[in-house]
Amino acid sequence: QQQVKQSPQSLIVQKGGISIINCAYENTAFDYFPWYQQFPGKGPALLIAIRPDVSEKKEGRFTISFNKSAKQFSLHIMDSQPGDSATYFCAASLSQGAQKLVFGQGTRLTINP
Amino acid sequence: ETGVTQSPTHLIKTRGQQVTLRCSSQSGHNTVSWYQQALGQGPQFIFQYYREEENGRGNFPPRFSGLQFPNYSSELNVNALELDDSALYLCASSLVRERQFQPQHFGDGTRLSIL
Repeated sequence: QQQVKQSPQSLIVQKGGISIINCAYENTAFDYFPWYQQFPGKGPALLIAIRPDVSEKKEGRFTISFNKSAKQFSLHIMDSQPGDSATYFCAASLSQGAQKLVFGQGTRLTINP
Repeated sequence: ETGVTQSPTHLIKTRGQQVTLRCSSQSGHNTVSWYQQALGQGPQFIFQYYREEENGRGNFPPRFSGLQFPNYSSELNVNALELDDSALYLCASSLVRERQFQPQHFGDGTRLSIL
C-alpha cells in the first residue's frame, strides 16, 4: 500500500524531444506528489509538485499530469536538453502528520545532443 | 538563504562500529527528515524530527537513532554497523506551519561505506 512504482528504469531521448516518465501509487490517502531531479554526487532537488485537486501543473518545460482515478501521475519534459540528463524520482506522501516521502525506483534520463 | 548541509561527505567504517552523521537544516526550516539511498535505488525514509522529537519512523531497526537540536540541526546515529548499511544518507529539511508541511529540500548526503 505504500509503494510507488516508476517506469521506465532508463530513457534515451533526442535533444528537443519530449521525455515522459510515469508513476503509479497505491495509497489513496496520498495527497502530495513531488518530482525530484538528482545529478551524480548530489542530493535530490525538488523540480515540481502537484496536489490531487488539479489534473495538470506546468512550470517552464516541466509538466506534471495527474490522474486520480487511475492513481497515476507523470512528468513531461518538453524540448529536452542535454543538461536535463539526470536521474528523476517521483514520490508521494501525506501532507499532514510526518511527511514521509515514498519514492519510486528512479529513471535515468539521457538526452542525446 | 543557506541550504541543507551535511557532514562528513564520505565515511568509511567497519562492521560493528558506530557512526554519527550531521545535518544543518536550511535557514527558516524547523523539521528534519533522514533517508537512506542504496546504489541505484530511490531514497527510503528513516525518520523525521519536529520540535526535537521523533515524528514518524520508517522500517528501520532501533540501532538507527537520531536527535534534533534547538537550532534545528540534527544527527543520525547508527550502531552495530552492517555491510547493508553502505549507502548515501540524505538529510532533508522543511518548514511546518500549523501541521502543514512545506516541500522538503535535500542536502548532498553522506556516502557511508562499510568494510
